[in-house]
Amino acid sequence: AQSVSQHNHHVILSEAASLELGCNYSYGGTVNLFWYVQYPGQHLQLLLKYFSGDPLVKGIKGFEAEFIKSKFSFNLRKPSVQWSDTAEYFCAVNATSGAGNNRKLIWGLGTSLAVNP
Amino acid sequence: DTEVTQTPKHLVMGMTNKKSLKCEQHMGHRAMYWYKQKAKKPPELMFVYSYEKLSINESVPSRFSPECPNSSLLNLHLHALQPEDSALYLCASSQVLASTDTQYFGPGTRLTVL
Repeated sequence: AQSVSQHNHHVILSEAASLELGCNYSYGGTVNLFWYVQYPGQHLQLLLKYFSGDPLVKGIKGFEAEFIKSKFSFNLRKPSVQWSDTAEYFCAVNATSGAGNNRKLIWGLGTSLAVNP
Repeated sequence: DTEVTQTPKHLVMGMTNKKSLKCEQHMGHRAMYWYKQKAKKPPELMFVYSYEKLSINESVPSRFSPECPNSSLLNLHLHALQPEDSALYLCASSQVLASTDTQYFGPGTRLTVL
């Protein structure tokens, strides 16, 4: 069965610090990978996604993520965080084949990021 | 327009009440989802509709009853809920039920069961 692991449950950074949030998945086949963000009191929104091609993907608000197939990883990065990046970050994985249940997102437990001004 | 709307924003109900949550999207999406989310946790999938037909039911108790009247609307009927059902209920939609599709989420309904 697919699973997603986010290693950092709580991260506290100062503004301008660099960010890297880890995400590893377990699935032997081809996967589609997503990072969603949930700002306080707001709805979940997509930061970025990877399906194929260049393993380094760029998303909104200066975020990027790198897919490393050999490590089953899809880590999220930002060179310099801002106070407004304070939010919950969720990594999610979906398989590219199969019917029904194989097309649902499998979510990591999330990382709570707090950026101090 | 990538907006999914949900009503009401907040709902308080007793364990004997019957209420409904509503979700609407006008993006022409043919897959719609109900999720339950507890604080600081990932969303838990409840139901998925594809082309107005129920495609996935994640063994949700029968006190939750989904309905998809048309391609733009999704309802969740609630009856005889328990206090542990208190949570944020999220609706989402995607173009179709495909693993590459982005799901767009609504703001949710904050449900409190007394």
